[in-house]
Amino acid sequence: QSALTQPPSASGSPGQSVTISCTGTSRDVGAYNYVSWYQQHPGKAPKLMIYEVTKRPSGVPDRFSGSKSGNTASLTVSGLQAEDEGDYYCCSRAGNNNWVFGGGTKVTVL
Amino acid sequence: QVQLVQSGSELKKPGASVKVSCKASGYGFSTYAMSWVRQAPGQGLEWMGWINTNTGNPSYAQDFTGRFVLSLDTSVSTAYLQISNLKAEDTAVYYCARSYQPRGWADYWGQGTLVTVSS
Repeated sequence: QSALTQPPSASGSPGQSVTISCTGTSRDVGAYNYVSWYQQHPGKAPKLMIYEVTKRPSGVPDRFSGSKSGNTASLTVSGLQAEDEGDYYCCSRAGNNNWVFGGGTKVTVL
Repeated sequence: QVQLVQSGSELKKPGASVKVSCKASGYGFSTYAMSWVRQAPGQGLEWMGWINTNTGNPSYAQDFTGRFVLSLDTSVSTAYLQISNLKAEDTAVYYCARSYQPRGWADYWGQGTLVTVSS
């Protein structure tokens, strides 16, 4: 199972928006509406930000939104804030109840 | 509140074994699956597999068969990851995560356990 493809980095100024793409295949991202996104700060455990493509867990700001088209999912962070800086990983269900993660994107708030 | 508390850091020699624990509290342990995720130093997240906390049946990602064993002790709401014949490339932080299977996402994560393999 190959990792999903994410850009290594993304950046934006405070208040701007940044969108991170996550490209898989018809066997994972394209096959299921089970894409999730995780935020990770240095030395900390990942935190769930989006699940099932578009849903936000309780407590996650509505500045975070998810979408999917075909084999590519996206995470958009609107109104960037300093605390949004960190690494972001997408994840998709794949065949046989497996999961596959993306390589991660480092978001920098300029 | 939901908590997953993992055991502490380990320093092991190549060829040894290690067993990492993940104690769950604040929810019905057998209601959710438990997944394990590896993160090598400076690298991304890798899904290792999951265990059905009802049946105890584990399922492993392709790269984590053979030396990796997932198990449970439901009497103490604890999941375990055992790695045998440790290699230097097993040096990583290992996370447990409460999971929704087969949907493929995790809402609560342990704090991580650093396993260092060095002679």
